[in-house]
Amino acid sequence: QPVLTQPPSVSGAPGQRVTISCTGSSSNIGAGYNVLWYQQLPGTAPKLVIYGNSNRPSGVPARFSGSKSGTSASLGITGLQAEDEADYYCQSYDSSLSGWVFGGGTKLTVL
Amino acid sequence: VQLVQSGAEVKKPGESLKISCKGSGYSFTSNWIGWVRQMPGKGLEWMGIIYPGDSDTRYSPSFQGQVSFSADKSTSTAYVQWSSLKASDTAMYYCARLDSSGWYYWGQGTLVTVSS
Repeated sequence: QPVLTQPPSVSGAPGQRVTISCTGSSSNIGAGYNVLWYQQLPGTAPKLVIYGNSNRPSGVPARFSGSKSGTSASLGITGLQAEDEADYYCQSYDSSLSGWVFGGGTKLTVL
Repeated sequence: VQLVQSGAEVKKPGESLKISCKGSGYSFTSNWIGWVRQMPGKGLEWMGIIYPGDSDTRYSPSFQGQVSFSADKSTSTAYVQWSSLKASDTAMYYCARLDSSGWYYWGQGTLVTVSS
């Protein structure tokens, strides 16, 4: 079982906003470790879309945003586009495991 | 910056294997390299990390004893090695580089298929 919990799937129509949650514990997100988010398109390597809880790497559209509160984090995508259809993963560091951990992934479907 | 991984492998159970991740465009010894497994149709799993500068290695508990990481500074290449493959090792394996912003640069992945 993944250490971080994500919903298996979310969906939204083009132009709408969706959020993907990531729930951790006091040994990872709740301990103050940063949360990262990745987008994985079919057949490709993961791509970093959010780092440091809420920062976007250069080239990632402003439609993508991240937030963190307590033991949870969220990825928000506004103005949904067909190209956003992908799997999304959250990641953080876990002090109990002394290593990085991923969420189970969320499949975003653009209706 | 580029991370280029070795090509797909097809092996039999019990065989050994070493796959690679070659870094270029930066000082290879200055950044941690991480390894990630993705089994068919499944999510990402963190395997562990290695610091090529001194080969300091940290394994995820799930992979401790199952794989071995190494790095060759002279060729700017990191490796994952299996001594005895199992069918359950069938997966895509990715390497990634740790930057101040996180795991930004990723290799293209190496598909390992273990089948009798």
